[in-house]
Amino acid sequence: GESVGLHLPTLSVQEGDNSIINCAYSNSASDYFIWYKQESGKGPQFIIDIRSNMDKRQGQRVTVLLNKTVKHLSLQIAATQPGDSAVYFCAESYQGAQKLVFGQGTRLTINP
Amino acid sequence: GAVVSQHPSRVICKSGTSVKIECRSLDFQATTMFWYRQFPKQSLMLMATSNEGSKATYEQGVEKDKFLINHASLTLSTLTVTSAHPEDSSFYICSASPGLAGNEQFFGPGTRLTVL
Repeated sequence: GESVGLHLPTLSVQEGDNSIINCAYSNSASDYFIWYKQESGKGPQFIIDIRSNMDKRQGQRVTVLLNKTVKHLSLQIAATQPGDSAVYFCAESYQGAQKLVFGQGTRLTINP
Repeated sequence: GAVVSQHPSRVICKSGTSVKIECRSLDFQATTMFWYRQFPKQSLMLMATSNEGSKATYEQGVEKDKFLINHASLTLSTLTVTSAHPEDSSFYICSASPGLAGNEQFFGPGTRLTVL
């Protein structure tokens, strides 16, 4: 069945370093992808999204890369800060479908 | 903008009782609302999709008679966990979509349900 998975369940980086969180998806029909940040005991917070007609999109300190050939999505966070510590989820959807399918999540820990 | 609230944020109940969780879109009209369940250290699993004025669509394996969903207005959806048992203890999260172009969803803060 369709699934969205992550390569690394945990990631620790030094404050100030860049981090990269990866996500693999299996539904080739997916055309919309979102990264969410979830802090403990809270709901997911939108970070950045990308549509399949793009391969890169940048936000403030974050960049999402999409490689449709290998069905891979990544989130790059530049100059990480303690407040970036959280669980990050990728999610996918496709045109005509309302629902999102979430990946398993990666816990990012920023070390001081 | 695009704020979604949930009430209550935490609830503890005895086994066998029913619990209602509210999800509200505060500053937009939500054509569609979604209910997710999240167990500790796991991802969000979609339980059901509800469209205002129509019956909810449940995901495979989710009992519709146990998890009653009502989406009576464009700003409110409720999830009632009937005859709750300890295994229903989880973090329940709703999201709302304004139904504009794209599939963006705005998430609520979640409700922690503990069934004793």
